[in-house]
Amino acid sequence: AQSVTQLGSHVSVSEGALVLLRCNYSSSVPPYLFWYVQYPNQGLQLLLKYTSAATLVKGINGFEAEFKKSETSFHLTKPSAHMSDAAEYFCAVRIYGGSQGNLIFGKGTKLSVKP
Amino acid sequence: EAGVTQFPSHSVIEKGQTVTLRCDPISGHDNLYWYRRVMGKEIKFLLHFVKESKQDESGMPNNRFLAERTGGTYSTLKVQPAELEDSGVYFCASSQGGSGHFSDNEQFFGPGTRLTVL
Repeated sequence: AQSVTQLGSHVSVSEGALVLLRCNYSSSVPPYLFWYVQYPNQGLQLLLKYTSAATLVKGINGFEAEFKKSETSFHLTKPSAHMSDAAEYFCAVRIYGGSQGNLIFGKGTKLSVKP
Repeated sequence: EAGVTQFPSHSVIEKGQTVTLRCDPISGHDNLYWYRRVMGKEIKFLLHFVKESKQDESGMPNNRFLAERTGGTYSTLKVQPAELEDSGVYFCASSQGGSGHFSDNEQFFGPGTRLTVL
């Protein structure tokens, strides 16, 4: 069965510092991987996705993630945090090769950015 | 273009009452998904419509939950009777046609309905 683990329910960084949000997945087949962000009172917004093309994926707002099959990881990074990055971030996996379209989510990581 | 909308944004009901949540997907999106997030836990899949048909309802917790999508447009999720453990945020998402394994169509999420059962 597929699963997603996000290390750290809360991460706090200073403005301008590196953002690193960790995600590990478990999948018996090659997965599609996604990062979503949720700002207060809004729906989930897609940041980026991995669909078996380039292993380094660039997304919106300066975020990127690298798919590492050997480590079953898909960590999200941003070189320099901005106050507007404060939100909750979700890593998700979708089965590649399955008939279902649903996403399997991690528990989420709340990012705080200190001035 | 309007995004996915959900109504109501919040609902507070007593145990044993009935609540109906509504989701309006992006126009033209064949796929509609319902998810739920119970406090402190991950967002979990409930079910998936392709147009008006239920493609997958394996995530529905029990028969107190009934989802419909008449005409393949908006969808409703009814909880009857509601229990305390049904509290959480219910998300709806939609995507274009082609939900199978070779499709990576983006799912667009609504803001969610926060349901509190007292």
